[in-house]
Amino acid sequence: EAGVTQFPSHSVIEKGQTVTLRCDPISGHDNLYWYRRVMGKEIKFLLHFVKESKQDESGMPNNRFLAERTGGTYSTLKVQPAELEDSGVYFCASSQGQFYGYTFGSGTRLTVV
Amino acid sequence: TQLLEQSPQFLSIQEGENLTVYCNSSSVFSSLQWYRQEPGEGPVLLVTVVTGGEVKKLKRLTFQFGDARKDSSLHITAAQPGDTGLYLCAGPSNAGNNRKLIWGLGTSLAVNP
Repeated sequence: EAGVTQFPSHSVIEKGQTVTLRCDPISGHDNLYWYRRVMGKEIKFLLHFVKESKQDESGMPNNRFLAERTGGTYSTLKVQPAELEDSGVYFCASSQGQFYGYTFGSGTRLTVV
Repeated sequence: TQLLEQSPQFLSIQEGENLTVYCNSSSVFSSLQWYRQEPGEGPVLLVTVVTGGEVKKLKRLTFQFGDARKDSSLHITAAQPGDTGLYLCAGPSNAGNNRKLIWGLGTSLAVNP
């Protein structure tokens, strides 16, 4: 089966611009997660979808971040306007419904300059 | 606040040596997961330990969960260059959404031929 796909793999944008990251989970996986790793820090949870519903968005840093999951399939994470501290690697993961068995994508490395 | 501390942060050894890396917390976790991450890729799940005192083996890798479920270790026997990578431990949050993972910073392992 295809894995979790994220694109772009890299994005370099200027402060104030908008960026949209996309994640295609494994087909049939109801649970979709976004995580972020900032350089020098541990991976941090951003939010969790179950199908198209936001189950938990307690990790979203602020209202400049907007996540959607259209029809319970792919998800997008938009940052608008981007700030320097938003730089990091954004990971998406999916699971079939049980806690164990997360599959991660390769991540999107976002650099805000 | 649940934290996971991993040690050592960096480890460089020769092929054939044995090593142990640690994941410690002052909090009890219902389970702990170990992941391995290579550059440019997302974390890949190696194992989940659930029961206090549990030992799981994956070829040359041995994982142990502490009796009190506050710590875990990963022992690699006769390390190979292919074992090189970032080893991460993660556990579910015990506050609200238990599908939200708390992560350690990781141990970066380099196995030299």
